[in-house]
Amino acid sequence: DAKTTQPPSMDCAEGRAANLPCNHSTISGNEYVYWYRQIHSQGPQYIIHGLKNNETNEMASLIITEDRKSSTLILPHATLRDTAVYYCIVRVDRGRGSQGNLIFGKGTKLSVKP
Amino acid sequence: DGGITQSPKYLFRKEGQNVTLSCEQNLNHDAMYWYRQDPGQGLRLIYYSQIVNDFQKGDIAEGYSVSREKKESFPLTVTSAQKNPTAFYLCASSAGVQPQHFGDGTRLSIL
Repeated sequence: DAKTTQPPSMDCAEGRAANLPCNHSTISGNEYVYWYRQIHSQGPQYIIHGLKNNETNEMASLIITEDRKSSTLILPHATLRDTAVYYCIVRVDRGRGSQGNLIFGKGTKLSVKP
Repeated sequence: DGGITQSPKYLFRKEGQNVTLSCEQNLNHDAMYWYRQDPGQGLRLIYYSQIVNDFQKGDIAEGYSVSREKKESFPLTVTSAQKNPTAFYLCASSAGVQPQHFGDGTRLSIL
């Protein structure tokens, strides 16, 4: 699975959009981009994933560049509860029972400030 | 509500003892996983199981053992052979191509 690069930390003002970048320049054509977040001392929480097209759900939006070498997770109106470590992961969806190797790096520590 | 339950939340082990961490899910997921997280680090895969009575080693399986006798349960035993067991242990499950769901973890410490 492709390696990802994320900034170690970012700050964001409460109520503003948080834009978290991720570089995955060695991504293959069949690899998806996943985003998880982890609030201190809890298990990671799935946020969103995508292959080529931009995606949006109730939590966030995912913007993937046309060459797929980078992506941005957007939290449109960050709140204090969005303070967490955000992980960008790329991996192949191999179908039933093949989710074994989510490779978590160190992620980006997002601090939302009042 | 459906979810993954890990117990206990905190666990202490004496040197030379084996300890077993519990992970139960009622999501009817086929696949289950164990990860280890050290302070300030990402997660590393210990073992995973795609179906009942089958499991595979992950990246750091040495000193650990698992069983998968029931679909709902995937206990992890930290053996005395694991020389540095102090860590945060996370269990996850998934179905098909859907993303993994995680429990809230067990924090293991050595006395």
